[in-house]
Amino acid sequence: AQSVTQPDIHITVSEGASLELRCNYSYGATPYLFWYVQSPGQGLQLLLKYFSGDTLVQGIKGFEAEFKRSQSSFNLRKPSVHWSDAAEYFCAVGPSSNTGKLIFGQGTTLQVKP
Amino acid sequence: NAGVMQNPRHLVRRRGQEARLRCSPMKGHSHVYWYRQLPEEGLKFMVYLQKENIIDESGMPKERFSAEFPKEGPSILRIQQVVRGDSAAYFCASSPPVGRGETQYFGPGTRLLVL
Repeated sequence: AQSVTQPDIHITVSEGASLELRCNYSYGATPYLFWYVQSPGQGLQLLLKYFSGDTLVQGIKGFEAEFKRSQSSFNLRKPSVHWSDAAEYFCAVGPSSNTGKLIFGQGTTLQVKP
Repeated sequence: NAGVMQNPRHLVRRRGQEARLRCSPMKGHSHVYWYRQLPEEGLKFMVYLQKENIIDESGMPKERFSAEFPKEGPSILRIQQVVRGDSAAYFCASSPPVGRGETQYFGPGTRLLVL
């Protein structure tokens, strides 16, 4: 079955520290992978996506993610976190060839300490 | 270019009433998706529509829920006889003609509270 797992429900980092949010997926075909960010009371904003090619993907706001097929992972990273990065982050996989369905992980809430 | 628009942003209904949620896709987008986010959970796919067609409704509850995307006007998600368990945030997304893997752009959501 297709699924996405984000093992960390909550993460707290100090401002200026590096960040890595984990994402593991289970998907039968070549996956299309996405990271979205959701600020409180807001919709989802696309940070980055992986379709094919270079496995290191650059996104907006200084984020990057690396696709590792052997580990079925697509972890999100940022070298130096800013207080404004506090939000909820969702990893998603899909869609498949005959449906537009995206499958989301449970989300990781990021808190940033001053 | 306006993004995906949803209204109302907040909706309060009493048990047994009907809820109608509207979604206007981005200009040039002909594909609409509805997702539901229950408290403390990720988004769950509900339905995928193109103009006048339901393509995939595998995530829709079998009763009380329906969706449409008419030739003219916004997409509508309709919930009849709401119950407290329907309280959630409902997000609409849109994309251009697919392309597998086409990016979905999300609206701000409608937060439904059932009293």
